[in-house]
Amino acid sequence: NAGVTQTPKFQVLKTGQSMTLQCAQDMNHNSMYWYRQDPGMGLRLIYYSASEGTTDKGEVPNGYNVSRLNKREFSLRLESAAPSQTSVYFCASTGTGRETQYFGPGTRLLVL
Amino acid sequence: GENVEQHPSTLSVQEGDSAVIKCTYSDSASNYFPWYKQELGKRPQLIIDIRSNVGEKKDQRIAVTLNKTAKHFSLHITETQPEDSAVYFCAASIARFYFGTGTSLTVIP
Repeated sequence: NAGVTQTPKFQVLKTGQSMTLQCAQDMNHNSMYWYRQDPGMGLRLIYYSASEGTTDKGEVPNGYNVSRLNKREFSLRLESAAPSQTSVYFCASTGTGRETQYFGPGTRLLVL
Repeated sequence: GENVEQHPSTLSVQEGDSAVIKCTYSDSASNYFPWYKQELGKRPQLIIDIRSNVGEKKDQRIAVTLNKTAKHFSLHITETQPEDSAVYFCAASIARFYFGTGTSLTVIP
């Protein structure tokens, strides 16, 4: 039982490049989330998916797109990376009761 | 939407002393309040949580209290140890999670 996994762990992009961050969970959770974490700003929600087939915007969705590929996988795409998107990205999931939230190990992204 | 405020942003205590972190929330419909600990370079991990129908919950040296009327909840760590040094986040949940901005706790040996 791996919990929540994320790939890649580290990534360096040039401004304007695109990339997809992958997230998968093996806990049969319905809800999945993407957060970004910046110093002094806590965890800010980018997008979330309450169930397979649905996605909703969070606090900071601009510049990102998501896909809930199936119940296990939730990907985050940066179409044209900007230096302001340099951050640590965490994926998380919760079960039916939407209570305990489990986080992945994070992806450190640097946009030059 | 919900707004969660967390104080203080930094906290230093001597080993063995107690530490208290406070959070306030704005939406009275929030019904679940978790606390997460994040060590440097690691993912946030749940350390304790409380539901809106409970006033206090304790787990060894960690306790959380909830005042629904005043819309605030607090994390209490007693007999602090150096390994308690980390960033702590509170959150309130209604449909989704709303996080505070974190408290960096340093326990001085």
